Amino acid sequence: QSALTQPASVSGSPGQSITISCTGASSDVGSYNYVSWYQHHPGKAPKLMISDVSNRPSGVSNRFSGSKSGNTASLTISGLQAEDEADYYCTSYTSSSTYVFGTGTKVTVL
Amino acid sequence: QMQLVESGGGLVEPGGSLRLSCAASGFTFRGYYMTWIRQGPGKGLEWVSYISRDSGMTTYYADSVKGRFTVSRDNAKNSLYLQVNTLRTEDTAVYFCARMGGWGAFDIWGHGTMVTVSS
Repeated sequence: QSALTQPASVSGSPGQSITISCTGASSDVGSYNYVSWYQHHPGKAPKLMISDVSNRPSGVSNRFSGSKSGNTASLTISGLQAEDEADYYCTSYTSSSTYVFGTGTKVTVL
Repeated sequence: QMQLVESGGGLVEPGGSLRLSCAASGFTFRGYYMTWIRQGPGKGLEWVSYISRDSGMTTYYADSVKGRFTVSRDNAKNSLYLQVNTLRTEDTAVYFCARMGGWGAFDIWGHGTMVTVSS
């Protein structure tokens, strides 16, 4: 199972919006609404930001939103803040009943 | 509060074995699927394995670890385990356990335990 494809890096100024893409295949992202997004500050536990494509867990800022079209899922961060600087990963359930993570995106706040 | 704490990592030679543990607290452990994820040095997150709730009869593994790693659980001890055998240098990673809040959510994570495979 090949990793889902994410851009290596995305940057934006405070207050701007950025979008991170996560491209898979018909056997994973395209077939299931089981795509989730994680924020990871190195050395800490990853944090669930979006579940089931677009659901925001309690406690997660409403500046984070998720969507999906075909084989590509997306995470949008609105009103970018310095604290959003981190690595972000998508993951999807697959037709093999396994999971696959994305390659990861480093978000930089300029 | 809901918490997961991993332990059991360490330095091991290629071909060696370790048993990783994950202690859960603050939620009804037996009622949840649980999963292991790892992150090699300078690499991204990689899904490793998951186990079903209750009896844990259903398990799945990434191709990279199938036949070498075994996931198990002891609900009486609120603990998840990962037996890692025939270790390779490429298994060097921080190993995280996480609770599966649904098929599309790993909603609680531990801080990880480091496994280093080196001679």
